[in-house]
Amino acid sequence: KAGVTQTPRYLIKTRGQQVTLSCSPISGHRSVSWYQQTPGQGLQFLFEYFSETQRNKGNFPGRFSGRQFSNSRSEMNVSTLELGDSALYLCASSQRLAGTTDTQYFGPGTRLTVL
Amino acid sequence: TQLLEQSPQFLSIQEGENLTVYCNSSSVFSSLQWYRQEPGEGPVLLVTVVTGGEVKKLKRLTFQFGDARKDSSLHITAAQPGDTGLYLCAGSFGNEKLTFGTGTRLTIIP
Repeated sequence: KAGVTQTPRYLIKTRGQQVTLSCSPISGHRSVSWYQQTPGQGLQFLFEYFSETQRNKGNFPGRFSGRQFSNSRSEMNVSTLELGDSALYLCASSQRLAGTTDTQYFGPGTRLTVL
Repeated sequence: TQLLEQSPQFLSIQEGENLTVYCNSSSVFSSLQWYRQEPGEGPVLLVTVVTGGEVKKLKRLTFQFGDARKDSSLHITAAQPGDTGLYLCAGSFGNEKLTFGTGTRLTIIP
């Protein structure tokens, strides 16, 4: 099976712009979670989508949004970029089977730099 | 908000030495996972532990889950340069999202 893929791998934007990141989960996985990773804050949960519905949400401002399509692919959007949004954005997919421990499989991430 | 503290934050040791990394929380986990992340890549799952007192071995890596399910440790025997990376613990509390620890950056010096 192909792993989780994320595009683009690298992105440079300027303050005030918006950005859309894409994630394709492992085939058969219906859950996609997004994380922000920075040296200072570590790995922080943004949100999770399951069957096109947001299931969980982290403590991030409304500028961060996401969606999931019927084929489980997901996009994350950040509007009005700030310098502090520079980070590695990771996507993880899982099967989210009831009654089992969820195992997340991560993509390589998108490195976003805001100038 | 559940917090997972990892210690040490940074560790640099010589090849062949042993080391232990810790993950602690004030809350009880329903399960705990350890991941390793290498530069330019996403975290990769190493192990999942679910039972208090559980010990799992993965070659030279030994993972232990505390009896009270509030803490965990990762012990590496005879460390090798290939063990270099960021080690992350992640706890699950019920059916909620995974909460990741603060991370331990390990460097093995040849």
